[in-house]
Amino acid sequence: GAVVSQHPSRVICKSGTSVKIECRSLDFQATTMFWYRQFPKQSLMLMATSNEGSKATYEQGVEKDKFLINHASLTLSTLTVTSAHPEDSSFYICSARESGDTEAFFGQGTRLTVV
Amino acid sequence: AQSVTQPDIHITVSEGASLELRCNYSYGATPYLFWYVQSPGQGLQLLLKYFSGDTLVQGIKGFEAEFKRSQSSFNLRKPSVHWSDAAEYFCAVERSGGGADGLTFGKGTHLIIQP
Repeated sequence: GAVVSQHPSRVICKSGTSVKIECRSLDFQATTMFWYRQFPKQSLMLMATSNEGSKATYEQGVEKDKFLINHASLTLSTLTVTSAHPEDSSFYICSARESGDTEAFFGQGTRLTVV
Repeated sequence: AQSVTQPDIHITVSEGASLELRCNYSYGATPYLFWYVQSPGQGLQLLLKYFSGDTLVQGIKGFEAEFKRSQSSFNLRKPSVHWSDAAEYFCAVERSGGGADGLTFGKGTHLIIQP
């Protein structure tokens, strides 16, 4: 089956620093990757959609300069939270989809804590 | 815009009893519908999905769901729950209906299993 690996699973960073989260498709080519954010005991909210080799499309209200998304290869997308603040603490989950497939597969998520 | 409503925030069921989790969606065309399960601190596991065809969909772990267009519903059912089914359940609809877009999630239903 299709496997999506997300790294790290947990990260703690100091306020004002940047942190990078990786999302890899291990056994398929992910032409499209999605990044979601989940606050404690709440639902997942789509942050952005990225297609390989193109700029990401951000959802309304998501700061593209704060949440930098790079999808430079068919197996890797990264989300960088720049100048992190405590309110950025959340659970970030990626999903990846192969061209022509109607299902996207989810990573295990990254718990970000900004102190 | 699409929306997904899961009216029950919490549901408590006795082990061995039947289960039904409700999901209503708002969408103009035939939606792509999904049910996911999330254990604490984990990513999402797909239980089942509906794109077209037979309106009764079988999934993993003994789950099934029925698409009812007239009621805009996609309720999840299981005839006999196990203690390991305790988790958070999310209903989701693919946003554009073409199989290439991100998902809009409901707020989730927390399932508690009583011994």
